[in-house]
Amino acid sequence: GQNIDQPTEMTATEGAIVQINCTYQTSGFNGLFWYQQHAGEAPTFLSYNVLDGLEEKGRFSSFLSRSKGYSYLLLKELQMKDSASYLCAVRGIYNKLIFGAGTRLAVHP
Amino acid sequence: DAGITQSPRHKVTETGTPVTLRCHQTENHRYMYWYRQDPGHGLRLIHYSYGVKDTDKGEVSDGYSVSRSKTEDFLLTLESATSSQTSVYFCAISESLQESSTDTQYFGPGTRLTVL
Repeated sequence: GQNIDQPTEMTATEGAIVQINCTYQTSGFNGLFWYQQHAGEAPTFLSYNVLDGLEEKGRFSSFLSRSKGYSYLLLKELQMKDSASYLCAVRGIYNKLIFGAGTRLAVHP
Repeated sequence: DAGITQSPRHKVTETGTPVTLRCHQTENHRYMYWYRQDPGHGLRLIHYSYGVKDTDKGEVSDGYSVSRSKTEDFLLTLESATSSQTSVYFCAISESLQESSTDTQYFGPGTRLTVL
């Protein structure tokens, strides 16, 4: 079967660092994506990993371990505007995206 | 931002009525997708298209049909709407499906559909 797991909710403090984990079991693997989705809006692309290791993009970093079926998204210097849902998605066979249910992050002052 | 629009943005309809949602893109991307998003389930693929008149089913295609007669338009039809199809529907586009491609999918603003 295909399964992508991520925590349902997380809270963090403004200025802090938060790590959102994602574990996956899918038929085929052609990369892992992270999207950000603010309430009532469309998902927007954050990062992409296809090889093991860390990809850094400003305050956001994403890590992948293919042997462990594991990824995380690291958000540094949290801001109030980072309050959103974060979606983990695996590109599987026929290049279809399979999404996790999303992690709702609340950033408090 | 990718040029993707969806219409209508909100719709309330009754069980048993047909409903058509439209996705329009100005990017000339070859691939288009329809997802539904429900609490606790995340985004689930309904149908996708890999070219004009070329479509295929996703994981939750029952009760839905699609058509793509032009590159820029991808229509999703609920032949006879049911309450279980109350959801937020997102269209997405991508330029490439190559396995080595870093191309991501870009999402439209969504359509909130309520079936009473």
